[in-house]
Amino acid sequence: EVQLVESGGGLVQPGGSLRLSCAASGLRFSGYGLNWVRQAPGKGLEWVSYISSTSTTLHYADFVKDRFIISRDNGKKVLYLQMNSLRAEDSAIYYCARAARFLEWTFDFWGPGTQVFVSS
Amino acid sequence: QSVVTQSPSVSGTPGQGVAISCSGSGSNIGSNTVNWYQMLPGTAPKLLIYGDNQRPSGVPDRFSGSRSGTSASLAISGLQSEDEADYYCTVWDDGLNGVVFGGGTKLTVL
Repeated sequence: EVQLVESGGGLVQPGGSLRLSCAASGLRFSGYGLNWVRQAPGKGLEWVSYISSTSTTLHYADFVKDRFIISRDNGKKVLYLQMNSLRAEDSAIYYCARAARFLEWTFDFWGPGTQVFVSS
Repeated sequence: QSVVTQSPSVSGTPGQGVAISCSGSGSNIGSNTVNWYQMLPGTAPKLLIYGDNQRPSGVPDRFSGSRSGTSASLAISGLQSEDEADYYCTVWDDGLNGVVFGGGTKLTVL
């Protein structure tokens, strides 16, 4: 059974940093692209970033470029999101989502999410 | 404001059918396939439709999708109370070089 479990969320002050992790099990981790998607309180889903299976291709939403860095460790089966210069509007539940095989922009498995609060 | 728009809400009674629309432009829906996700209250999103009209294993055939021009649609027939959820369309945008989500449509089963 495919499982994705996010961690690392919490309360951080504006301007601060946080690193999210997504631990995977039940899948050949190195064979899939991965994404981060977020949902702010009372708002809709918002795609954040994508990393290909070998980390050679990265994509970011404009609102996180130059602030967030996506990375992965295929040996440990973990996806990361380093979030810097955090703003109040970055407060959200952050989900990791697997890209379907050969359908990179189709997210077929999701984790339960981890909550990030940015507040002073 | 998302570059892909959905009506904020739709409602229907049990047994009825409803349609949820998703409107975009040539750089997204006009060029790429659309996926739909269902988000039940308090849970993570679930893939409902991919590649415009394909259902993953386990998704009832009451759910169907279509795409024409720069619009896409999710149809739900035989509404059930457990269908009450938020529904999102998503698509790759060639101009933004990223995935865009519609704003979401809240389905209420009366």
